[in-house]
Amino acid sequence: EAGVAQSPRYKIIEKRQSVAFWCNPISGHATLYWYQQILGQGPKLLIQFQNNGVVDDSQLPKDRFSAERLKGVDSTLKIQPAKLEDSAVYLCASSFSPDPGNTIYFGEGSWLTVV
Amino acid sequence: KQEVTQIPAALSVPEGENLVLNCSFTDSAIYNLQWFRQDPGKGLTSLLLIQSSQREQTSGRLNASLDKSSGRSTLYIAASQPGDSATYLCAVFYNQGGKLIFGQGTELSVKP
Repeated sequence: EAGVAQSPRYKIIEKRQSVAFWCNPISGHATLYWYQQILGQGPKLLIQFQNNGVVDDSQLPKDRFSAERLKGVDSTLKIQPAKLEDSAVYLCASSFSPDPGNTIYFGEGSWLTVV
Repeated sequence: KQEVTQIPAALSVPEGENLVLNCSFTDSAIYNLQWFRQDPGKGLTSLLLIQSSQREQTSGRLNASLDKSSGRSTLYIAASQPGDSATYLCAVFYNQGGKLIFGQGTELSVKP
C-alpha cells in the first residue's frame, strides 16, 4: 500500500517569497492533516480536512498560509509571503476518518528553509 | 491549556540498557495517547496507541503505560539497540478539541 506522498522534499526560499507544498494521502482516506514541525518541537496542527471541507484551521496563520483540498483527495499548502519563522518541516498526514481510534499515517515531510 | 511535555529532551545510553522515556499531560480527559518514532529526515511512525480505558500496551521490546489520574505515560524500551536511535514523540488526543497534541520529543541515541 502506498504511503502519504509529499513534494517537494526540500525547499529554500528568500523571505517574502511564496512556496507551495503538495500532498497525496493514502487512497480511501477521507481525513487529511497538515502539521508544522519547528526544529526541536513537536508537530503542531495547521489544518484538518474531512473530504474537501475544513474541520479545524484554528492554528493556521491565515494572513499568509492557505490550504485547499478541492476534490477531496490531493491537497496543497501555500505560504505567501514567507517569513524567517516559517522555516520548519511541513508534515502531511491522513487517516480513514477523524475517529481518534484511527491510525494517522504521516508523510516524510517537506523541509522549508527561509533565508 | 492542553499541553504535553516530554522529559528529557535528549538521552544517550549504551547498547543493551533498558530505558524509560517520560510524557506528562495536563488534562486527564483524553481519548487516547500515542507514542511515535521519528527518524532524521523522515515522517512519524506510530509505535503504540493506548486507549483511555487501558493501562498499558506492548509491542516487542516496547511497553507503554498510561496513568490518567497522574497525567503520565512512560515508554519502556528493553535491551536497547543502536537501531532504536531516533526521536520519540508522545501525543495525546484530548476529549475537548478533537486533535492530537504532541510533546516536543525525546531524542534517543543508543551507542554501540
